[in-house]
Amino acid sequence: QSALTQPASVSGSPGQSITISCTGTSSDVGGYNYVSWYQQHPGKAPKLMIYEVSNRPSGVSNRFSGSKSGNTASLTISGLQAEDEADYYCSSYTSSSTWVFGGGTKLTVL
Amino acid sequence: EVQLVESGGGLVKPGGSLRLSCAASGFTFSNAWMSWVRQAPGKGLEWVGRIKSKTDGGTTDYAAPVKGRFTISRDDSKNTLYLQMNSLKTEDTAVYYCTTVKSGSFNYWGQGTLVTVSS
Repeated sequence: QSALTQPASVSGSPGQSITISCTGTSSDVGGYNYVSWYQQHPGKAPKLMIYEVSNRPSGVSNRFSGSKSGNTASLTISGLQAEDEADYYCSSYTSSSTWVFGGGTKLTVL
Repeated sequence: EVQLVESGGGLVKPGGSLRLSCAASGFTFSNAWMSWVRQAPGKGLEWVGRIKSKTDGGTTDYAAPVKGRFTISRDDSKNTLYLQMNSLKTEDTAVYYCTTVKSGSFNYWGQGTLVTVSS
């Protein structure tokens, strides 16, 4: 199972919006609504930000939103804040009853 | 409050074995699907495997790189998840995280335990 494809890095200024893409295949992203997104600050454990494509866990800011079209899922962060600077990973359930992660995207807040 | 505390990491030689543990609290462990996810130094996240709750069959699935070498098990009486790692390779060097699985996502994570495979 190949890793999902994410851009290596994205950047934005405070207050702006950014979108991170996550491209897979019909056997993972395109075939299931079990796409999730994780935020990881340096030296910390990952934190779930979005599950089932577009749902936010309790306590996650509504500045974070998710969507999916075909084999590509997206994470949008609006009103960028300094504390959003982190690595972001997407993940999808697959037709092999396994999970696959994206390679990760480093978000820089300028 | 959900807590997942991993232990058992350390330095092991190639070809060796190690067992990781994950002590869970703050939720009904016996009802939970659980997973292990690892992260090599400076690299991304990699799913290792998952075990279902016993009421859902208690079955396991593994990522291709670890299948046949790693075994996930659980002791619901001790609220503990295990990862038995055999025939370890240098590429297994990583921080290993214990997670809960819900709605197809990894919703709670432990702090991780470092496994280093080196001669």
